[in-house]
Amino acid sequence: DAKTTQPNSMESNEEEPVHLPCNHSTISGTDYIHWYRQLPSQGPEYVIHGLTSNVNNRMASLAIAEDRKSSTLILHRATLRDAAVYYCILRAHPQGGSEKLVFGKGTKLTVNP
Amino acid sequence: GAVVSQHPSRVICKSGTSVKIECRSLDFQATTMFWYRQFPKQSLMLMATSNEGSKATYEQGVEKDKFLINHASLTLSTLTVTSAHPEDSSFYICSAYDGVSSYNEQFFGPGTRLTVL
Repeated sequence: DAKTTQPNSMESNEEEPVHLPCNHSTISGTDYIHWYRQLPSQGPEYVIHGLTSNVNNRMASLAIAEDRKSSTLILHRATLRDAAVYYCILRAHPQGGSEKLVFGKGTKLTVNP
Repeated sequence: GAVVSQHPSRVICKSGTSVKIECRSLDFQATTMFWYRQFPKQSLMLMATSNEGSKATYEQGVEKDKFLINHASLTLSTLTVTSAHPEDSSFYICSAYDGVSSYNEQFFGPGTRLTVL
């Protein structure tokens, strides 16, 4: 599996934007970039994913570098509920089946009131 | 999104006993389920992949005779920790794939915290 590198931790203030970086210099052409987050004592939840183009959904935006060797998860206005560990994961999307998720250490986001 | 439940949410058992954890997909049929283990302040480690009606595929280093996985139906997978010992104390999380989602999203359960005394 291609490897991702994320900062161990980041801090933000409430209602400010947060940019969570992820480096994936060995990404292959068929790898999708997925982001999941894990709130304390809970299972992870899907945040967003993308292949080449920037993506937006109700939770966040994903900005993907033109060479796809890095990406940034953007939380437009952080809330206390966004405090979690954020995982950037590369996955292939095989036809007709699922592909396992390999979790790295992720970035622990602290949101200050 | 799809909902995955786990039961129990917490369990405390004595060393040497076996513990069964259930993972259910509540509103979809899960062709594939995954079991993860997470120790305090660490990331999730995949233990095994189970497909309905077939044997689970275990990750390297995971003892298949100790962690028994059964995926007997499209909505239920079970993980049995046999002869549990204190070092098996961990947070066990399952996830399920519906086989339909266009981007292979996995839906995670809330986790089961196992404490072995």
